[in-house]
Amino acid sequence: EIHLVESGGGLVKPGGSLRLSCAVSGLTFTNAWISWVRQAPGKGLEWVGRSKSKTDGGTIDYAAPVKGRFIISRDDSKSTVDLQMYSLKSEDTAVYYCASDYGDYLDDWGQGTLVTVSS
Amino acid sequence: SYELTQPLSVSVALGQTAKITCGGNKIGAKSVHWYQQRPGQAPVLVIYRDNFRPSGIPERFSGSNSENTATLTISSAQVGDEADYYCQVLAGSTAVFGGGSKLTVL
Repeated sequence: EIHLVESGGGLVKPGGSLRLSCAVSGLTFTNAWISWVRQAPGKGLEWVGRSKSKTDGGTIDYAAPVKGRFIISRDDSKSTVDLQMYSLKSEDTAVYYCASDYGDYLDDWGQGTLVTVSS
Repeated sequence: SYELTQPLSVSVALGQTAKITCGGNKIGAKSVHWYQQRPGQAPVLVIYRDNFRPSGIPERFSGSNSENTATLTISSAQVGDEADYYCQVLAGSTAVFGGGSKLTVL
């Protein structure tokens, strides 16, 4: 069974930084693509970015609102994908999910971790 | 950027058929995926690539996609189907979600 577990959420001041982690089990991680998706309180789903497997080129893709502020990285030895967030704004407040990415759709999802950006 | 349009809310009588639409420019040329999200829970994939069901998803869930509209159909709607439903496509290298539709079973 595939499991994804997010961690690292919390309260951070505007302009601050935070690092989230997604631990993956139950699949061959070296072949896995992992996406991050967020959901602001009471709002819909918003794709944040994606880490492709090294075997598929290792490309990192980002959504426009976070490009230049967020960095996605992966550690195949630990089966983790991290989301490093800089210059955080109030509009980045959301539950952040990681999900297994099959190139066009997202299959298994974690339970999410809440990030609150507030002074 | 590519946009997907969903109705904010859809209502269906218990046991009847619900249809949730997802509009987009020439969406029929794209693969459409649907997610169910119950309150306080993570999204769950219910339909992928227009009309494929992941294992564990009831046959009551089906999808179609043509021209400028994709549709998620839920037959014999049950109280447990009450949730938010999101459509999603890939536009270039970007995953795009619709705004979501709240399904109410009356």
